[in-house]
Amino acid sequence: AQSVTQLDSHVSVSEGTPVLLRCNYSSSYSPSLFWYVQHPNKGLQLLLKYTSAATLVKGINGFEAEFKKSETSFHLTKPSAHMSDAAEYFCVVSGLNAGKSTFGDGTTLTVKP
Amino acid sequence: ETGVTQSPTHLIKTRGQQVTLRCSSQSGHNTVSWYQQALGQGPQFIFQYYREEENGRGNFPPRFSGLQFPNYSSELNVNALELDDSALYLCASRGAGGRNEQFFGPGTRLTVL
Repeated sequence: AQSVTQLDSHVSVSEGTPVLLRCNYSSSYSPSLFWYVQHPNKGLQLLLKYTSAATLVKGINGFEAEFKKSETSFHLTKPSAHMSDAAEYFCVVSGLNAGKSTFGDGTTLTVKP
Repeated sequence: ETGVTQSPTHLIKTRGQQVTLRCSSQSGHNTVSWYQQALGQGPQFIFQYYREEENGRGNFPPRFSGLQFPNYSSELNVNALELDDSALYLCASRGAGGRNEQFFGPGTRLTVL
């Protein structure tokens, strides 16, 4: 069994300030973890993935996430928010088969000028 | 390289009708998954197809069924539509290897009246 909890449904930051989107997971297997972004009326885009290699994962557009097994967390961060980062973000967990993924409920990121 | 495409973009049906949604996977990808995303929620796994066989199913009733064709394209069929079936339906494809990330299509917005 697997599950994922995104701890904040909404996060609001000012442009140029750091972003932190929190995600906790549960998995019976060694998990694969992903962060996807969904802009309005657009498809899901992969930001980054963890698949049992380095615990600090760097993704696109300056995002990164750290896998912490002891805390069962996979938080997404970015040092400096940009207006174009405003979107819905999903944390995703899967086991041995990434096609059978479990999504969190999403976090809406708002970036204020 | 062609990405994942889905058709139609939007669809309106009435309760009790049947609907077929289509997906063309990304070139070289042999595994297709379907997800239902209700408004304001994260995508929910419906089922996955690998080499034309269903290879995993989420918590959806049998009136949700699918097909995968030799060219790895796929269909999602929903019979006896209910109002709660109104959602964005997402198709995702990935290549061989269980931990490979999925690539999502733009989705089909289904409205059931």
